[in-house]
Amino acid sequence: DIQMTQSPSSLSASVGDRVTITCRASQSISSYLNWYQQKPGKAPKLLIYAASSLQSGVPSRFSGSGSGTDFTLTISSLQPEDFATYYCQQTYSTPQTFGPGTKVDIK
Amino acid sequence: QVQLVESGGGVVQPGRSLRLSCAASGFTFTSFAMHWVRQAPGKGLEWVALISSDGSNKYYSDSVKGRFTISRDNSKNTLYLQMNSLRADDTALYYCARPRSAYYLDAFDIWGRGTLVAVSS
Repeated sequence: DIQMTQSPSSLSASVGDRVTITCRASQSISSYLNWYQQKPGKAPKLLIYAASSLQSGVPSRFSGSGSGTDFTLTISSLQPEDFATYYCQQTYSTPQTFGPGTKVDIK
Repeated sequence: QVQLVESGGGVVQPGRSLRLSCAASGFTFTSFAMHWVRQAPGKGLEWVALISSDGSNKYYSDSVKGRFTISRDNSKNTLYLQMNSLRADDTALYYCARPRSAYYLDAFDIWGRGTLVAVSS
């Protein structure tokens, strides 16, 4: 199975900050990497698919990059509604594993 | 609109069984593979199972293999998860999710609200 790791596990940031979250796969997954945002009590929401493609309706301050084993999610200017937990997920092969999550909270 | 609605969760004793359902609407159910994903209280997301659009191919996580069975009834636009030999560590909110496209390895763009399963004596 492919293992996914994320760093950091949590971070504190202020509105307007640039935030970067890293995701690493235990083996190459090409660009089969997705990013989700989850707020308390809500289902996950797809932000980025195929490593760098912005899901329809998602603000352009979210971007993704990477390929192979190393990926990043960047929020260019953090907004109040962005405080949430972010998960990466590989869909290169089953089981389609998720990373452990990165919680972004208010500094 | 495109929607997934899970049901069937509840409190169940260890070793017992439960069947979850996921009713799909607003899209051509027969064109999409479907997934179950779970989230234990306060924990992260765990992929559970996948079924192909026609139901002929099924995949499971190691943690549920041999105990859970994913199935679908395309005439009813409904996805199922039969859960047997339930354990305390199966306690979680169970989501059904749909890939963005007919390609089963695509990202999950549609999620239900989840149904809660609590395994306790």
